[in-house]
Amino acid sequence: GESVGLHLPTLSVQEGDNSIINCAYSNSASDYFIWYKQESGKGPQFIIDIRSNMDKRQGQRVTVLLNKTVKHLSLQIAATQPGDSAVYFCAERAYGNKLVFGAGTILRVKS
Amino acid sequence: KAGVTQTPRYLIKTRGQQVTLSCSPISGHRSVSWYQQTPGQGLQFLFEYFSETQRNKGNFPGRFSGRQFSNSRSEMNVSTLELGDSALYLCASSLNPGTSSGELFFGEGSRLTVL
Repeated sequence: GESVGLHLPTLSVQEGDNSIINCAYSNSASDYFIWYKQESGKGPQFIIDIRSNMDKRQGQRVTVLLNKTVKHLSLQIAATQPGDSAVYFCAERAYGNKLVFGAGTILRVKS
Repeated sequence: KAGVTQTPRYLIKTRGQQVTLSCSPISGHRSVSWYQQTPGQGLQFLFEYFSETQRNKGNFPGRFSGRQFSNSRSEMNVSTLELGDSALYLCASSLNPGTSSGELFFGEGSRLTVL
């Protein structure tokens, strides 16, 4: 079945350091892989996506890497800031707007 | 430009009751999706609507239903509530389904507590 496997670990980083959040997925037919950020009391907020025919995509302070060989997705955040503290979800899209989400990773930024 | 608006934000119901949640998508967006978020199961897809038609449905029992109106606003209904239905229900909108992006715009959710 479809699944994006991700336990709910916590990643603690020092302000200014780079963060790397990892995710494993299972559906090779997914056409997009997406990262969302969710702050307490809010809905998920789109960060960046990558199409399945790409390996890397960069945004503002963020980079997403896709390794289809091992079905692995990662989000890199450069110069992590306190405002980056949130739960981060990876998701894959296989059909329409049906997203399969991972369990999430808590990112804590220490000042 | 207003974001996705969900009402009510919080509600408390008892087992056996039913509930209707509302979602107004971003102006011009025609696709609306619903997700359930719980600590145990995470974010799970409920259903997706486009042009008043259900395009896709997740693995939820028939007690969960939805609809979309001609103005793209959507409602979801849960009948015969169970304790396990306590969750944050999130609505997301996009211009069209399967657009050339994974971006969905989420509302802040309706938090349902079933007692």
